Amino acid sequence: GEDVEQSLFLSVREGDSSVINCTYTDSSSTYLYWYKQEPGAGLQLLTYIFSNMDMKQDQRLTVLLNKKDKHLSLRIADTQTGDSAIYFCAYGGGSYIPTFGRGTSLIVHP
Amino acid sequence: ETGVTQTPRHLVMGMTNKKSLKCEQHLGHNAMYWYKQSAKKPLELMFVYSLEERVENNSVPSRFSPECPNSSHLFLHLHTLQPEDSALYLCASSQDLASGSYEQYFGPGTRLTVT
Repeated sequence: GEDVEQSLFLSVREGDSSVINCTYTDSSSTYLYWYKQEPGAGLQLLTYIFSNMDMKQDQRLTVLLNKKDKHLSLRIADTQTGDSAIYFCAYGGGSYIPTFGRGTSLIVHP
Repeated sequence: ETGVTQTPRHLVMGMTNKKSLKCEQHLGHNAMYWYKQSAKKPLELMFVYSLEERVENNSVPSRFSPECPNSSHLFLHLHTLQPEDSALYLCASSQDLASGSYEQYFGPGTRLTVT
């Protein structure tokens, strides 16, 4: 399998919560990241979490980390049409340059 | 200009052409990266430069040749490409490689089509 796995698509209704999941293989990673890519643009760092944390909240974003299961999730509360984008999970840190997944396309419909 | 800029934004080239992609960062960072983004594939790291020295080359074919003349500029020279090289080429920068956090700032990319 791949080093970072994400589902390719997620469709939600405006106003609902979105949960994007990611699994990774390298347990020695120090940081885990979520990046957002809007059409025609590069990747933008949304948030990151240290590997010794379980949760991080930043306004509408909540990151949950289950280090035992090597599972990372990004929850977006009150999803808006402007949240439609591709979301990339990545791990790295220390001597490891980040490794990215394929990205999850989030589609928000009215 | 702020952040990371890339030129050109779109490029169509034949397999026998030679062209170059340019990246410039205005953030005072010491590390710069080239990535290849193909549809439905993981982002592929191609090259990493730290303080103008190449520190990583991920088995990239020699038809791709990077150049980092200073810490603000990064080039990717292209020659005799193949159609499968068509992709979005992203440049990124980060403060350095020593801090360990790798908060990367990406440019908008160059959409390359090889005919």
